[in-house]
Amino acid sequence: DAGVIQSPRHEVTEMGQEVTLRCKPISGHDYLFWYRQTMMRGLELLIYFNNNVPIDDSGMPEDRFSAKMPNASFSTLKIQPSEPRDSAVYFCASSPDRLNEKLFFGSGTQLSVL
Amino acid sequence: RKEVEQDPGPFNVPEGATVAFNCTYSNSASQSFFWYRQDCRKEPKLLMSVYSSGNEDGRFTAQLNRASQYISLLIRDSKLSDSATYLCVTSGGYNKLIFGAGTRLAVHP
Repeated sequence: DAGVIQSPRHEVTEMGQEVTLRCKPISGHDYLFWYRQTMMRGLELLIYFNNNVPIDDSGMPEDRFSAKMPNASFSTLKIQPSEPRDSAVYFCASSPDRLNEKLFFGSGTQLSVL
Repeated sequence: RKEVEQDPGPFNVPEGATVAFNCTYSNSASQSFFWYRQDCRKEPKLLMSVYSSGNEDGRFTAQLNRASQYISLLIRDSKLSDSATYLCVTSGGYNKLIFGAGTRLAVHP
């Protein structure tokens, strides 16, 4: 099993540019989560999907952030336009059909917005 | 007030020591509790679930006190490889997990 796959591993961009982060969850997992981690705020849940449907996006910072899950094997998190305060590590995680099963995290995308 | 609060540490302990971390949570309706481990520049990984009756996994013991709304993790006979950040996790509303900011442990020779 390849686990949760995220790309890119690192992204450096300039303020104002569009950034797209990608995630492939573990096959058969019905839940997909996007988290952001910073030193100041720790690990924050941005949005999660159940069976490709967004369930809770209350953690999305503002309208510049959007997430999609067009099918069970792919999700994107987009930031447009990006700002320096968006610099963080973005993790995607998936879990099986019951939430009290464990979360499987991808390796994360280190985003730096200059 | 944060939903999950932890002492950030660092806890600096020698090999072989016993160390304990506590975590408090604010949502009395939380049903699921976990400890995750995160190594530097890596993703979090599940260390163990926490059950009401307390549970043990080798050198690790987790306990839950619902009345006081805190969770603990005890590590016995610390190893150098235990050096990491330990994240306390509880279930929040709408089936989502809430992570604490983590407690950093450094085990030295």
